[in-house]
Amino acid sequence: QVQLQQSGAELAKPGSSVKISCKASGYTFTSYYISWIKQTTGQGLEYIGYINTGSGGTNYNEKFKGKATLTVDKSSSTAFMQLSSLTPDDSAVYYCARGVVPFDYWGQGVMVTVSS
Amino acid sequence: DIQMTQSPSSLPASLGDRVTITCRASQDIGNYLRWFQQKPGKSPRLMIYGATNLANGVPSRFSGSRSGSDYSLTINSLESEDMAIYYCLQHNEYPYTFGAGTKLELK
Repeated sequence: QVQLQQSGAELAKPGSSVKISCKASGYTFTSYYISWIKQTTGQGLEYIGYINTGSGGTNYNEKFKGKATLTVDKSSSTAFMQLSSLTPDDSAVYYCARGVVPFDYWGQGVMVTVSS
Repeated sequence: DIQMTQSPSSLPASLGDRVTITCRASQDIGNYLRWFQQKPGKSPRLMIYGATNLANGVPSRFSGSRSGSDYSLTINSLESEDMAIYYCLQHNEYPYTFGAGTKLELK
């Protein structure tokens, strides 16, 4: 069955970076893009961008350019998102989802907490 | 960016009720509209795609419709398992944008 397994919760200090992962199984990894979505209580759901899992090409929401960097490791069927120069506003749950839009399968989410 | 104005933000309802949640798009999005259900501590679940099509495994009491720039999710004969937050998503124009959510709760 299709699964997207994300890495564990992160506690990070302001100014630092974190890299979270999304390991896919149960389907051909390179047949679907992977999207990333941010969820906060205040801002709701925000689309960060997506990565072409075959070519590594990316497309970012302008709001997240410079904040998020999407990469992929085809050999392990894993997508990654690095968040840099963290501030408290980056505290959120981050989801990966299959496809640019389908979103038929989601990871379980990773809670990132930015605090000194 | 396209704004998706979702209403109401909170919807108290009783079991067996028929309820409707609406999203209004700030510009034309065609039928590029999806609805998601999210329960506490869980990931969103795709319910409706293409504005009116039921996703796999979704009960037939759920339906989606469109009237101009207004998109609606209707649940007939509400069940306890339907209590959740519902979000719309437009994917006609990048960046894709979500509605703010509607919390469906027992009256």
